Amino acid sequence: EPEVTQTPSHQVTQMGQEVILRCVPISNHLYFYWYRQILGQKVEFLVSFYNNEISEKSEIFDDQFSVERPDGSNFTLKIRSTKLEDSAMYFCASRRGLAGSGANVLTFGAGSRLTVL
Amino acid sequence: AQSVTQLGSHVSVSEGALVLLRCNYSSSVPPYLFWYVQYPNQGLQLLLKYTTGATLVKGINGFEAEFKKSETSFHLTKPSAHMSDAAEYFCAVSPTTGNQFYFGTGTSLTVIP
Repeated sequence: EPEVTQTPSHQVTQMGQEVILRCVPISNHLYFYWYRQILGQKVEFLVSFYNNEISEKSEIFDDQFSVERPDGSNFTLKIRSTKLEDSAMYFCASRRGLAGSGANVLTFGAGSRLTVL
Repeated sequence: AQSVTQLGSHVSVSEGALVLLRCNYSSSVPPYLFWYVQYPNQGLQLLLKYTTGATLVKGINGFEAEFKKSETSFHLTKPSAHMSDAAEYFCAVSPTTGNQFYFGTGTSLTVIP
């Protein structure tokens, strides 16, 4: 079963530091997403990415956040200067997006837990 | 704009009892509908989905959900709860055109032995 893999599984950082969360989406998927889940709260959309550019982003995704697909396999989320409130579980997801069964199903990674001290 | 409402942030059932988790959506056009499950310290796993065709869809682990257009609902059910069903359940919708997924706030299911 193809998987979305995320690294690291847990990262602890100091406030103000830069963090990069990495994701390897499923290889034939075309649409990529980042979501976050603050402890005990709902899953929140951050950004979607298609054809090497951001297709949609939420209000949460401010100038401190950026995404990149540097090499055709990795999909990264960068937080330039972390704040305490950035502490959350960050989920990467991908979907195929072509016609047919499963095209619109989001497949999620296991998440990267970010703790900002 | 699309939105998803999950009634009941916490649901407790006895082992062997019926599980019913409610989900209603708000959309001018019926969207694609999904249920995801999140076990402790894990990611979200697809339980089942409705895109087209039969309105009663069956998923993994004995769960099923029925799309009712007239009620704008997509409630999740399981006839007999098992201890291993204890988890967080998220309803999600996606417009049939477009890129976005919208998640509900989640329902935490507790199964009492």
